Amino acid sequence: GNSVTQMEGPVTLSEEAFLTINCTYTATGYPSLFWYVQYPGEGLQLLLKATKADDKGSNKGFEATYRKETTSFHLEKGSVQVSDSAVYFCALKDSWGKLQFGAGTQVVVTP
Amino acid sequence: DTAVSQTPKYLVTQMGNDKSIKCEQNLGHDTMYWYKQDSKKFLKIMFSYNNKELIINETVPNRFSPKSPDKAHLNLHINSLELGDSAVYFCASSLGTGVNSYGYTFGSGTRLTVV
Repeated sequence: GNSVTQMEGPVTLSEEAFLTINCTYTATGYPSLFWYVQYPGEGLQLLLKATKADDKGSNKGFEATYRKETTSFHLEKGSVQVSDSAVYFCALKDSWGKLQFGAGTQVVVTP
Repeated sequence: DTAVSQTPKYLVTQMGNDKSIKCEQNLGHDTMYWYKQDSKKFLKIMFSYNNKELIINETVPNRFSPKSPDKAHLNLHINSLELGDSAVYFCASSLGTGVNSYGYTFGSGTRLTVV
């Protein structure tokens, strides 16, 4: 079956540091890939997406590139802020339209 | 505001009770979902409806019964609540089914605590 694997957290960084969260997937066919963010006490918000190989999704300084050859969709941000502290979820959307999530990675940014 | 709204936001109840969570979206989406998020933040899909028709029904105890009176509403009824049902339940909606570029829009969640 399909699956999404994310690096375990928490990831603790200082403000202005570079952030990478690794995400790899296993899927049949050609899934769409997403990153969602969940701030404390809130629901999930779509951060960015990519629908085919080599597509790059970007939003709010975050970027991720759909790499079919390595089945990866790593999330990066060049300079994090305290307000980026949240849980980040990588997800794939399969041929049934079902959005399947990774386990989530908590990011803590300290001043 | 256009959104997915869930009620109630918090629900504390005793074991054995029956409770319902309601969800409504005004985004014009035709597909709605229920997800369960456990204490470790793991998200698992429970059900999905497309235009009032059940299309995804994961391995969920039959104490959980979804109902979709129309494509803008999806409710979740839970019978004989157990301690293990304590979790945050998220409703979501999207456009269409199958692999497409549309993400899901999530509600803010219902935190269910069974005591």
